Amino acid sequence: GQNIDQPTEMTATEGAIVQINCTYQTSGFNGLFWYQQHAGEAPTFLSYNVLDGLEEKGRFSSFLSRSKGYSYLLLKELQMKDSASYLCAVRDWGKLQFGAGTQVVVTP
Amino acid sequence: GAGVSQSPSNKVTEKGKDVELRCDPISGHTALYWYRQRLGQGLEFLIYFQGNSAPDKSGLPSDRFSAERTGESVSTLTIQRTQQEDSAVYLCASSLAVDYGYTFGSGTRLTVV
Repeated sequence: GQNIDQPTEMTATEGAIVQINCTYQTSGFNGLFWYQQHAGEAPTFLSYNVLDGLEEKGRFSSFLSRSKGYSYLLLKELQMKDSASYLCAVRDWGKLQFGAGTQVVVTP
Repeated sequence: GAGVSQSPSNKVTEKGKDVELRCDPISGHTALYWYRQRLGQGLEFLIYFQGNSAPDKSGLPSDRFSAERTGESVSTLTIQRTQQEDSAVYLCASSLAVDYGYTFGSGTRLTVV
């Protein structure tokens, strides 16, 4: 079966760092994506990993370990506008399979 | 167009009626995807198109759901005899090819009453 697991909710303070973990078991793997989704809006692309290691893009970094079926998204210097749902997605034979999303709440 | 366009943005329909949801992908994007998102939940894959063929329609929940795509352009998702459990946001996305990232539309919020 397909399983993509991530925590339901995380709370952090403005200026802090938050790490969102994602573990997956899928029939195929051709890359892992992270998307950000604000309430009532469409998801927007954040990052993509297909090889093991860390990809850094400004305040956001994403890590992948294919042997462990594990990824994380690291958000640094949190801002209030980062309050959103963060979706982990695995490309599986041409389509993306999404996790249920992690709601990040940033407090002042 | 500049982005993925979906219409209508909101649709309220009576149980038992048929509805058609439309998606206009980004020009030149060969791959097109439909997802469903129930309130507070993740994205549920429905079907994807490569050109106008559908290599994977495994996510369609029942035979009341169907989709088609003309050429490498517009796609319509049709739900027949709607049920209350069909209430959700239906999201469309397109990509240059299946190996590329998606751009999502703003979705159609369907409410079946």
